[in-house]
Amino acid sequence: DAKTTQPPSMDCAEGRAANLPCNHSTISGNEYVYWYRQIHSQGPQYIIHGLKNNETNEMASLIITEDRKSSTLILPHATLRDTAVYYCIVNLNQAGTALIFGKGTTLSVSS
Amino acid sequence: NAGVTQTPKFRILKIGQSMTLQCTQDMNHNYMYWYRQDPGMGLKLIYYSVGAGITDKGEVPNGYNVSRSTTEDFPLRLELAAPSQTSVYFCASSYLQGDEQYFGPGTRLTVT
Repeated sequence: DAKTTQPPSMDCAEGRAANLPCNHSTISGNEYVYWYRQIHSQGPQYIIHGLKNNETNEMASLIITEDRKSSTLILPHATLRDTAVYYCIVNLNQAGTALIFGKGTTLSVSS
Repeated sequence: NAGVTQTPKFRILKIGQSMTLQCTQDMNHNYMYWYRQDPGMGLKLIYYSVGAGITDKGEVPNGYNVSRSTTEDFPLRLELAAPSQTSVYFCASSYLQGDEQYFGPGTRLTVT
């Protein structure tokens, strides 16, 4: 089972920052936090991942708390095309290879 | 690069029929995966492969088989299709363990 807790849905106005929270209180010291999104039943798309430091790329920023029990994905200027289901993943399968998905957060961006 | 390609896009099967879902990647990735996604749910891992000739079961392998004879191809075989296998199937690949996974567009399968 997924080891993360995410709100089922969130709304955001276009042009504003979208802050998506994720709780992962049982995370192990060597487990990474991954974020993927899925737009309208397409294949999931990788966004970002991190271990304990904050990370930023061209798509988003990832803020991980010092105790690593929670994190926040930040989309700095949300657009309508960011409407999607966002998955926070902190565990892989036993072999440490494949992702284990939960139900994610449905982000709706409106104008 | 085409990335990860899957065929067919859609398929309707009758109960008891069999079929093969095709998956090909052109990124020379070692790792490949098959997931299924039921309506309103997250993806569940069916099988994965860490390289040519090596495959292993995921969370929900029953009713499926895989093979990995080349780095590029990772077909998923359904034998004796059942209504419970109605789902969207996604193939993915990654270069190394724990790396970003690249997903294909999916195959929507209905078993009636």
